[in-house]
Amino acid sequence: AQSVSQHNHHVILSEAASLELGCNYSYGGTVNLFWYVQYPGQHLQLLLKYFSGDPLVKGIKGFEAEFIKSKFSFNLRKPSVQWSDTAEYFCAVIRTGANNLFFGTGTRLTVIP
Amino acid sequence: DSGVTQTPKHLITATGQRVTLRCSPRSGDLSVYWYQQSLDQGLQFLIQYYNGEERAKGNILERFSAQQFPDLHSELNLSSLELGDSALYFCASSEGDSPSYEQYFGPGTRLTVT
Repeated sequence: AQSVSQHNHHVILSEAASLELGCNYSYGGTVNLFWYVQYPGQHLQLLLKYFSGDPLVKGIKGFEAEFIKSKFSFNLRKPSVQWSDTAEYFCAVIRTGANNLFFGTGTRLTVIP
Repeated sequence: DSGVTQTPKHLITATGQRVTLRCSPRSGDLSVYWYQQSLDQGLQFLIQYYNGEERAKGNILERFSAQQFPDLHSELNLSSLELGDSALYFCASSEGDSPSYEQYFGPGTRLTVT
């Protein structure tokens, strides 16, 4: 069965530190990949998505993610985090042509000022 | 504000009961998706409707059902409720019926079954 793994459950960083959140998926076929963010008390929002083309995807608020097919990974990165990046981050995967979006369990990021 | 509204915000009910959760999509969006977020299962896709028709099904229990009405709002019906159904239920909407369209999430309905 298709699954998505986010190994970091809670990450605590100081402002200006660099961020990398891991995401691995188990499906061997063609996939579309997403990162969503949920700020405290707010709804889920799309940060970025990968469908095809350049495996390095730029998203909103300075986030980027790199799709590495050989590693089944889609890690999220940001060179310098801010206090306002404190949120929960969800990786999601969908098989190309399907409609079932599979989410990871989420990573809570706390940024200390 | 995503433009997706969900009512009620909170719902507390007893085991064995039935509840209805409502979702109004963003103006112009034809697809509605339902998700369940619980502590043990994480965020799981339940079902998708597109322009009134069921389009995809995920891990939705037989005790749960959904529909999308001609005005495109959707309702998720949960019956014979069990303690394990306590969760946050999200609705999302998108313009089209494929995942290439961005999904916009509502604030969720928190269901507590006692």
